[in-house]
Amino acid sequence: EPEVTQTPSHQVTQMGQEVILRCVPISNHLYFYWYRQILGQKVEFLVSFYNNEISEKSEIFDDQFSVERPDGSNFTLKIRSTKLEDSAMYFCASSVVRQGVIEQYFGPGTRLTVT
Amino acid sequence: AQKVTQAQTEISVVEKEDVTLDCVYETRDTTYYLFWYKQPPSGELVFLIRRNSFDEQNEISGRYSWNFQKSTSSFNFTITASQVVDSAVYFCALSESTGGGNKLTFGTGTQLKVEL
Repeated sequence: EPEVTQTPSHQVTQMGQEVILRCVPISNHLYFYWYRQILGQKVEFLVSFYNNEISEKSEIFDDQFSVERPDGSNFTLKIRSTKLEDSAMYFCASSVVRQGVIEQYFGPGTRLTVT
Repeated sequence: AQKVTQAQTEISVVEKEDVTLDCVYETRDTTYYLFWYKQPPSGELVFLIRRNSFDEQNEISGRYSWNFQKSTSSFNFTITASQVVDSAVYFCALSESTGGGNKLTFGTGTQLKVEL
């Protein structure tokens, strides 16, 4: 069973610090995503990434955020200067469409706590 | 714009009861996908089902069943003979196939509590 992995599982950082959340998508998937879930709330789309560039982003994904695929396997989300309200669970996902059917998988999430 | 509504914030049932979680969606696309995910207290998102807009057949998987009705834009989820292990938050989600891939729009979730 293929899986998306994320590291770390929990990150604690101080306000104003930069954080990088890491994801390894499934190897033959083509689209990569980051989602955010503030505690007790719904899961919200942040950004999608295809062919080494952002294909879509939400209004949450402002200049403090950036994504990168630095090599053939990792997909990272960087938050430049964290705020208290960035505390959330961040999910990475990857997808591919085969014979008209979407295969999309989520990673286990990284819980980010900003103090 | 796409939207998913899960009007039930929290449902409590006693073990062995059947329970239905409602999901209503809005989309302008004719091609779309609907999903249900389970989020246990540990926090991960567990995939339960995917259904495309052209397939209105209802589906049953063990104690789980799904009722997709395009006429009412609903994709409801029923758990038969609920168990304590079913306690979790359940999210319905919608994906339109766009040039940006298949981002999901989630509902606000339904917290299901199954008690002994």
